[in-house]
Amino acid sequence: AQSVTQPDIHITVSEGASLELRCNYSYGATPYLFWYVQSPGQGLQLLLKYFSGDTLVQGIKGFEAEFKRSQSSFNLRKPSVHWSDAAEYFCAVGSGGYQKVTFGTGTKLQVIP
Amino acid sequence: NAGVTQTPKFQVLKTGQSMTLQCAQDMNHNSMYWYRQDPGMGLRLIYYSASEGTTDKGEVPNGYNVSRLNKREFSLRLESAAPSQTSVYFCATGEDYQETQYFGPGTRLLVL
Repeated sequence: AQSVTQPDIHITVSEGASLELRCNYSYGATPYLFWYVQSPGQGLQLLLKYFSGDTLVQGIKGFEAEFKRSQSSFNLRKPSVHWSDAAEYFCAVGSGGYQKVTFGTGTKLQVIP
Repeated sequence: NAGVTQTPKFQVLKTGQSMTLQCAQDMNHNSMYWYRQDPGMGLRLIYYSASEGTTDKGEVPNGYNVSRLNKREFSLRLESAAPSQTSVYFCATGEDYQETQYFGPGTRLLVL
């Protein structure tokens, strides 16, 4: 069975600092990988996704993620964080069918001035 | 384009009461999903519908029923609400085969 681990429950960064959110997955074949963002009181919004091809994926709002098969990781990065990036971030893994997406437990990002 | 809409936004129930959460989409997607979100547990799939006329259980289906009324609408019913069903419920739609999902704004349910 597929699974996702987000080891950091809560991360605090200063505005303007770089950010890396960790995601490790478990899946037997090439996974479909996603990062979603949830602002307070809102639904989830897709930031970026990886299906195949270039392992460095660019997303919206200046985010990127890198798929590393050898480490079973799909970490999310941003070079310079803005106060508006404060939200909860979810990594997810899919199996290629349209009903099997597993979400991680989320990382809550706090941005301080 | 409204995307995915959910009603109601917030509901308080007493134990044993029933209610139906409504979800509608105008994205012309075949797949629709119901999740619940609880602190520290991420999103857990309750039921999904791969296409109109089909529904299947997800990870946590007990205490819930669903209806895929047509391509646009997918409802979630609690027949006899329990405090353990206090949660935030999200409906989502999916692009076939690519599993990108689009979420509604959620329904906050409190069962007393």
